[in-house]
Amino acid sequence: AQSVTQLGSHVSVSEGALVLLRCNYSSSVPPYLFWYVQYPNQGLQLLLKYTTGATLVKGINGFEAEFKKSETSFHLTKPSAHMSDAAEYFCAVTYQGGKLIFGQGTELSVKP
Amino acid sequence: GAVVSQHPSWVICKSGTSVKIECRSLDFQATTMFWYRQFPKQSLMLMATSNEGSKATYEQGVEKDKFLINHASLTLSTLTVTSAHPEDSSFYICSARDRGIETQYFGPGTRLLVL
Repeated sequence: AQSVTQLGSHVSVSEGALVLLRCNYSSSVPPYLFWYVQYPNQGLQLLLKYTTGATLVKGINGFEAEFKKSETSFHLTKPSAHMSDAAEYFCAVTYQGGKLIFGQGTELSVKP
Repeated sequence: GAVVSQHPSWVICKSGTSVKIECRSLDFQATTMFWYRQFPKQSLMLMATSNEGSKATYEQGVEKDKFLINHASLTLSTLTVTSAHPEDSSFYICSARDRGIETQYFGPGTRLLVL
């Protein structure tokens, strides 16, 4: 069965520091990959996605992620954290016409 | 683009009553809609998938007679929690996608509290 693993349920960084949120998936077929962000008491907002083409994808709010097939990874990065980046981040994978499979989420805290 | 709305955002009801939550795609045709439930500090749990004009497909363990889903148009799906009980209190989130598009767009969620 397909699965998504987010390493670290909680990540804390200082404002201005690099943000790295890890995501690995298990799959025997090429997936579509997503990162969503959730602020408290809100729904999920799409940050970025990989479907086909360029493996380095850029999203909103300065985030980007790189699809590495050999490592089955889709890690999310941002060069410089901002206080407003504090939220819950979900990595998710789907396959053509299929359900969205979520990781368990990573809570990002940003210290001043 | 790709905006999904939910109504209401908050609902408090008495045990035994039914509650209806609406999910609308505002600027695209939602051929498929999904309903999720989220417990505090947890990931999303898929409850059911609905295609416009068809019966919903429920995930294992989800009571279809308790959580009634209707997807009567390409822009509207409803979730009705029938005979709600305190254990049904949760955050319910819908999402929608168009045909041939893999991206799901999420609504803002509905917080249900059953007293």
